[in-house]
Amino acid sequence: DQQVKQNSPSLSVQEGRISILNCDYTNSMFDYFLWYKKYPAEGPTFLISISSIKDKNEDGRFTVFLNKSAKHLSLHIVPSQPGDSAVYFCAARYGNKLVFGAGTILRVKS
Amino acid sequence: EAQVTQNPRYLITVTGKKLTVTCSQNMNHEYMSWYRQDPGLGLRQIYYSMNVEVTDKGDVPEGYKVSRKEKRNFPLILESPSPNQTSLYFCASSPGTGQPQHFGDGTRLSIL
Repeated sequence: DQQVKQNSPSLSVQEGRISILNCDYTNSMFDYFLWYKKYPAEGPTFLISISSIKDKNEDGRFTVFLNKSAKHLSLHIVPSQPGDSAVYFCAARYGNKLVFGAGTILRVKS
Repeated sequence: EAQVTQNPRYLITVTGKKLTVTCSQNMNHEYMSWYRQDPGLGLRQIYYSMNVEVTDKGDVPEGYKVSRKEKRNFPLILESPSPNQTSLYFCASSPGTGQPQHFGDGTRLSIL
């Protein structure tokens, strides 16, 4: 039973356009959400996070939106660049644990 | 340079032969954790440690052991590996619980 779901295994976007990656969760006890990016043969690297008391957090080209009533999280990348091509994982925290989604492969075409 | 170092990076071994994957961090982080990554399942937490001598089970602890005798080290032990433990393993650390984690580059284990 996956508590954090990324329903799109992959996404392809043209360079310069917006990339939107989505994440749904089932556990209302999650209080903190994070996005990680992963390149091949490397470990995930932290990208951006949001507390459950907020609905938006922005950092440069990256914005995370949280809709608590819908239990939905999204990551917007504007504008998308070829170097953004990677696997993106969303993660959610409850207590001392972190639960990850299965990941979405983003391909940004130049 | 701040980093989490895992060794070995790759290992092919046989069922039942005990193995240890080491993990070391140089950031003085309190929290450390082990994950396994499998296709379609993402990263699943195996064990975590909130501080020296404090460890707890994650979501998939069966078949694994850990220890935290020193703050910087958090080895993962497979006492009797089985083929279903073939996976990509990541160690991670963070200043505290739930804070953004720094990940190692991964260890690919193949159990034949």
